[in-house]
Amino acid sequence: QMQLVESGGGVVQPGGSLRLSCVGSGFTFTRYGMHWVRQAPGKGLEWVAVIWYDGSETDYAASVKGRFTISRDNSKDTLYLQMRSLRAEDTAVYYCTKKDFDLWGQGTLVTVSS
Amino acid sequence: DVVMTQSPLSLPVTLGQPASISCRSSQSLVYSDGNTYLNWFHQRPGQSPRRLISKVSKRDSGVPDRFSASGSGTDFTLKIRRVEAEDVGVYYCMQGTHWPETFGQGTRLEIK
Repeated sequence: QMQLVESGGGVVQPGGSLRLSCVGSGFTFTRYGMHWVRQAPGKGLEWVAVIWYDGSETDYAASVKGRFTISRDNSKDTLYLQMRSLRAEDTAVYYCTKKDFDLWGQGTLVTVSS
Repeated sequence: DVVMTQSPLSLPVTLGQPASISCRSSQSLVYSDGNTYLNWFHQRPGQSPRRLISKVSKRDSGVPDRFSASGSGTDFTLKIRRVEAEDVGVYYCMQGTHWPETFGQGTRLEIK
């Protein structure tokens, strides 16, 4: 069955960096754009970034632009989110989702704290 | 950014009774291709969101037919014909017509 599995979350100090990964299976990963969406503790959903199916284009929410980089390795069916200059307000569960938001991973928790 | 406003934010419902959630957008969600990219999601406690409805009213595979949705332009509604225990959680609307995609605040459905 179709599945997305995120990894890479953890506790990081303010100003630090972290790279999240998301592996897709059960569907042709290379055919679909992918998103990252995050959810702060007890809060709603916030779209973070998108990447085209072939990696040719990317886009970011204003809150992360210049600090986060979305990328993908289609040879490994894997999506990435490189996060730099992390702030307390970046603390959230990060989900990867398929292009039309019809498939979500289980999420990975990022905690930015000293 | 397009602001999505849901109401109510809290929805206590008796089992077997109907429920309705409203979602309003600050701009029309009709895209240049004629489609309206309005989705509904359900998030159970401790779980990832799950898409229920796409393009205003198209139910996803496996979604019970007690769920229905409608609307146009800026006003949209999700209805549950008879609420079951598994329907508890938070419901979100999301627009994909205008960049960036934006979500409503969420409506928490609980059983009375």
